[in-house]
Parts: sequence; structure tokens; C-alpha cells
Amino acid sequence: GESVGLHLPTLSVQEGDNSIINCAYSNSASDYFIWYKQESGKGPQFIIDIRSNMDKRQGQRVTVLLNKTVKHLSLQIAATQPGDSAVYFCADTTDSWGKLQFGAGTQVVVTP
Amino acid sequence: DGGITQSPKYLFRKEGQNVTLSCEQNLNHDAMYWYRQDPGQGLRLIYYSQIVNDFQKGDIAEGYSVSREKKESFPLTVTSAQKNPTAFYLCASSNGQGNTIYFGEGSWLTVV
Repeated sequence: GESVGLHLPTLSVQEGDNSIINCAYSNSASDYFIWYKQESGKGPQFIIDIRSNMDKRQGQRVTVLLNKTVKHLSLQIAATQPGDSAVYFCADTTDSWGKLQFGAGTQVVVTP
Repeated sequence: DGGITQSPKYLFRKEGQNVTLSCEQNLNHDAMYWYRQDPGQGLRLIYYSQIVNDFQKGDIAEGYSVSREKKESFPLTVTSAQKNPTAFYLCASSNGQGNTIYFGEGSWLTVV
């Protein structure tokens, strides 16, 4: 991921709809990718990860898609709930010790 | 409870003072990390340690120092040389080798 500035992009989603959060990464050598959720004033919480030998991975209500050709990562949240409101970060690494490079994040706002 | 504990949650520093942020983990993780987060931005790596008594600089190490005398502890000192220390500081740990990095709840540092 790359930091792109002070203003977080915002995704407004109606409760019950599906959310898609996108992330571009810059290093074609990155081989491990993680999505984190961060609520205000708290540390990032692990959501789901994917390695470069996969293009899709599913968890509980979440799916991560990896397109290495265009260096793009996405997080899909099914049936978005108010508790999903947070900032979502993607992170990638080329290092076996996991020194992560973070994107700037996307603010998800769930409306009733 | 297993996890990563950061303290204090809130810290105020006067100009010219050094302050130390504590990070303790009981996950038996080999690797530990310190990240800095500024408002509306992603996380930037300050220092990381793969093993006891060894650590390396991250992307923004100037004005910071660390030690790793015990596996479970990785304190961060914000020195007076750090010109803009007001930020949210996050400690993290992992088993290394491309495994997931988990974060603590963070410490807010404000210069007064």
C-alpha cells in the first residue's frame, strides 16, 4: 500500500448491502497481504490475509481478492452491519519477518 | 488474557523531554514492531526486532530508540530529537516468517 495524503477516502454503505474496499499496492515483489480494521482510538484488528499464490480467500462475511497482474487487492464485506463502521487498511510485505507497508486506509460508514 | 499490552494509553511530554512507551506481549512471538500513526494516515514503521538483543531501524527511526532485552518486552523511547512526536504509537508482534502481525491498543503521545 501507499500513503496518499491526509484525507481518507470514504465509502458509505447502507446496512445490509455488500461493501467493496479497494487497495492498490506498488511492490510487485510483495507476497503476503493483510486487511486490518481500525476503530477510532484503537489498534488495528486483523481481518483476513492472503498469500501471493492465491487469488481469493474467504472468511466469515469477508472475502479478499488479489490481482497480481494489476497489483490490486480488494476486501468484500457481505451484509454490512453498523459494527463494520471503521477505517480499513490493506498492508503488504516482501519480507519474511513481515515488515508491513500500509496503505492510507478507507473510512467505511454504515448507514441504517 | 493473551495479547499485546501497551502503556500508558495517554502520555503528555514537555518540550525537550524523553519519554518511554511500554510494550509487553505474552504470545511468545519472536518479532516485535513499533509503528507511528498520524491522523488520517496509514502506519509507518519506526523500529523492529526479530530476536532478543537485536533490532533494526524502520522507515522513520530518527529521534527514537528501542531495546529488546527480553523476548516479551520492546520499549520505545521518544527522544527530544524527535521534532514532531505527537502521534498515535502502535506496538505489534508476530511469529515472523510471514506470519500475521497483531497489534496492541496503542498509546497517544502529545507534546505540551
